[in-house]
Amino acid sequence: AQTVTQSQPEMSVQEAETVTLSCTYDTSESDYYLFWYKQPPSRQMILVIRQEAYKQQNATENRFSVNFQKAAKSFSLKISDSQLGDAAMYFCAYRVLQTGANNLFFGTGTRLTVIP
Amino acid sequence: NAGVTQTPKFQVLKTGQSMTLQCAQDMNHEYMSWYRQDPGMGLRLIHYSVGAGITDQGEVPNGYNVSRSTTEDFPLRLLSAAPSQTSVYFCASSYRDRGHYGYTFGSGTRLTVV
Repeated sequence: AQTVTQSQPEMSVQEAETVTLSCTYDTSESDYYLFWYKQPPSRQMILVIRQEAYKQQNATENRFSVNFQKAAKSFSLKISDSQLGDAAMYFCAYRVLQTGANNLFFGTGTRLTVIP
Repeated sequence: NAGVTQTPKFQVLKTGQSMTLQCAQDMNHEYMSWYRQDPGMGLRLIHYSVGAGITDQGEVPNGYNVSRSTTEDFPLRLLSAAPSQTSVYFCASSYRDRGHYGYTFGSGTRLTVV
């Protein structure tokens, strides 16, 4: 069974500083996708960044980057130059490629607070 | 292009009542799914569909039914609501674009069962 673990229920960061959110996953598959989603108080699920497991290069999207360690099954999210609008719940998610169903498996989330 | 539309946004039910959460997408995505979000548990898959006429169970299907008569619509039915079904429900559709998989989520339905 696929499991996704986010060991930090809550994190805080000073505005303009950098913060890293942790995620580990357990799978026997070799091909999969990993995602970070942001959920602000509006409840909307917003894609932050996506990583294909076959790519060795870490994905980046502006201030957001990941540290993908396939052998360690680790997928952490780094937010640089944190902004007040980054405050939200962040979910790590995983998708197996081999199956026909596009099911996502989510972690339990990390609530990020940005301190002005 | 409205994306994924969920209705209603809020609902209060009494124990034993039934209701249908509506989900519609206008992107012609084949795959659709329902998740529930509970505090401290992330999102868990209830049911999913890989195309019209095809549905299957996810991680937590008990107490819910689904059907997929069209590509656009994927309603979730609560047969006899229970307080344990108090949750936020998300509908999502999935696409593949240039080899990348992506997901579009609805804005959620907050359901309270009293």
